[in-house]
Parts: sequence; C-alpha cells; structure tokens
Amino acid sequence: GAGVSQSPSNKVTEKGKDVELRCDPISGHTALYWYRQSLGQGLEFLIYFQGNSAPDKSGLPSDRFSAERTGGSVSTLTIQRTQQEDSAVYLCASSLSAFTYGYTFGSGTRLTVV
Amino acid sequence: DQQVKQNSPSLSVQEGRISILNCDYTNSMFDYFLWYKKYPAEGPTFLISISSIKDKNEDGRFTVFLNKSAKHLSLHIVPSQPGDSAVYFCAASERNDYKLSFGAGTTVTVRA
Repeated sequence: GAGVSQSPSNKVTEKGKDVELRCDPISGHTALYWYRQSLGQGLEFLIYFQGNSAPDKSGLPSDRFSAERTGGSVSTLTIQRTQQEDSAVYLCASSLSAFTYGYTFGSGTRLTVV
Repeated sequence: DQQVKQNSPSLSVQEGRISILNCDYTNSMFDYFLWYKKYPAEGPTFLISISSIKDKNEDGRFTVFLNKSAKHLSLHIVPSQPGDSAVYFCAASERNDYKLSFGAGTTVTVRA
C-alpha cells in the first residue's frame, strides 16, 4: 500500500480482556517496528522485525505483550489481560531496511482500557 | 529513564518568525539524531536528521544544530508558517542500533 496502515484506529476495552492490533507495512519494507506513546511520554520502543530474523522483543513491557509478523508483511501486536496502564497510542512503522531511520509511521491505534 | 528530553511541552510563535525547539540527551553513545513532526490523528513523519560528525544540517526552512559537548540539539524553523503547527519529536539512536529513543514532544502553534 501507499503507507503504513493500522487497525483499528481506536479501541476501548475492558480491563482483563485481550486485544489485537494490526499493522500492514509498506510493501517491500523489510523492517517493522512497534512503538507506543503513553500520555505525556515520548515514543517507547516495543519490538522490531527484520526479514526472517528473530525479532528484537527487548522493549516489550511484560509477558502479556506479544507480536508476530506473518510472511514478512502484516504484523499483529497482542496484549493479553489488558491493564489500565496499557492505555496508549500504539504506533507501527516500517522502513526499507534496518538503520534506515526515516521510518514511515502509521497513524496509530489509540487503546483505552477501562 | 528518559534519555531524550524535550523540556518545553509547547511553543507559540508568530507567523514569519523563527521557531526554536530544543532537545537534550543523556546518553553519550547516541550517534544519530532526528526530528519528527506529527499532526493530530496522523503518525509522525520524518523531518530532518543529523549525524554526530556534523554540527549543522539544513533543509529548506529547517536547520538542526548539534552540540555534542553539551548533549544538546535544536531545530530552527525559519520562517514559521501556519502549516508548521504540529507536535515535534526529537529522537536519537546509538551507532548500529535500529532503535530510536524519543523525547515527549513539543507542540508548536504558529499564530497568524
């Protein structure tokens, strides 16, 4: 596609429920990143995928968070047993390769846990 | 621990004047610095970057200055235009690291 597409754009969920956030990167971009921005904070790195290499999960805040990237394209970020502190804007970005820092970001998913 | 800090959450400037956005960092291993711009309901878009081997990079109305000894960088927008009203994020990375550390952003409002 022309840009990075994320869905849903907004998600309100009850505490304790699981949620899935989807990212469709730019075609041909091998690097895919998930970041999140909590209120008043900068973007926080969550996870990085590069081609068929093992992902860098070092930014995931707890084992309730997981992500996968199928076929080197679409990625899904899953949050299990959501907590109120998970409320944030979750941003996906892609780039042609690693170290191409001018990422293209999607417009994000605003997650609200009530 | 936030390694990149933007201490001014907001900035208001008259159209045609200069906007100066500041960013400080604590990690001396940072090697590459970027500015992103974000409009409401959109993702951040890459604006301009600078490598640690330089102290200035200019692109049209946008200039980024880097002072490594002070661990400080700034973004100058001259002249400011109403379309520049947005949130600006400063970001940095270490050499050979694909992860970016971001500041919390500065909201710029350009008054007509």
